[in-house]
Amino acid sequence: GNSVTQMEGPVTLSEEAFLTINCTYTATGYPSLFWYVQYPGEGLQLLLKATKADDKGSNKGFEATYRKETTSFHLEKGSVQVSDSAVYFCALSWISWGKFQFGAGTQVVVTP
Amino acid sequence: DGGITQSPKYLFRKEGQNVTLSCEQNLNHDAMYWYRQDPGQGLRLIYYSQIVNDFQKGDIAEGYSVSREKKESFPLTVTSAQKNPTAFYLCASSFIGQTGDGPQHFGDGTRLSIL
Repeated sequence: GNSVTQMEGPVTLSEEAFLTINCTYTATGYPSLFWYVQYPGEGLQLLLKATKADDKGSNKGFEATYRKETTSFHLEKGSVQVSDSAVYFCALSWISWGKFQFGAGTQVVVTP
Repeated sequence: DGGITQSPKYLFRKEGQNVTLSCEQNLNHDAMYWYRQDPGQGLRLIYYSQIVNDFQKGDIAEGYSVSREKKESFPLTVTSAQKNPTAFYLCASSFIGQTGDGPQHFGDGTRLSIL
């Protein structure tokens, strides 16, 4: 079946460091891929998305590229801030599937 | 502004009591979803609905019930049969498209605790 695997957290890094969160998926065909962010006590917010191979999603300095050959959608940011501390979820959806498959989430902690 | 409204933000349940969590959206989305999130855990799907008057069980439907009488509303009832209801509950909605489903939009959640 379809599944999403994310690197385990917490990921702890200093302000202005480079962030990478790995995400790989298992799915038949070409799902749409998403990254969501959840701040403490809140719901999830869509961060970025990509709908076909080689698409790059970007938002707020975050980027992720849809890699069909490696079935991956790694999230990157060149210089993190304390305000980026949150839990990040990778997700996929399949055409007419009607539901999403979420990864387990990766907590990121950025220290001053 | 369009969005998803969940209420209440905090809810307490007594033993043997059913409680209902509200979820309303004004985004004109077709599909609506309920997830449960436990501390430090990911999201688990409880129920989802793609059309009015129809809904499907997710991965952890036991002890929960839903209805979808209106496109805008998808209330979740946590019944007394759910023995461990303490969790953060998230409602979401999305378009269902021919070339792929739209991204899910989330409410701010309801935190349910046992008295």
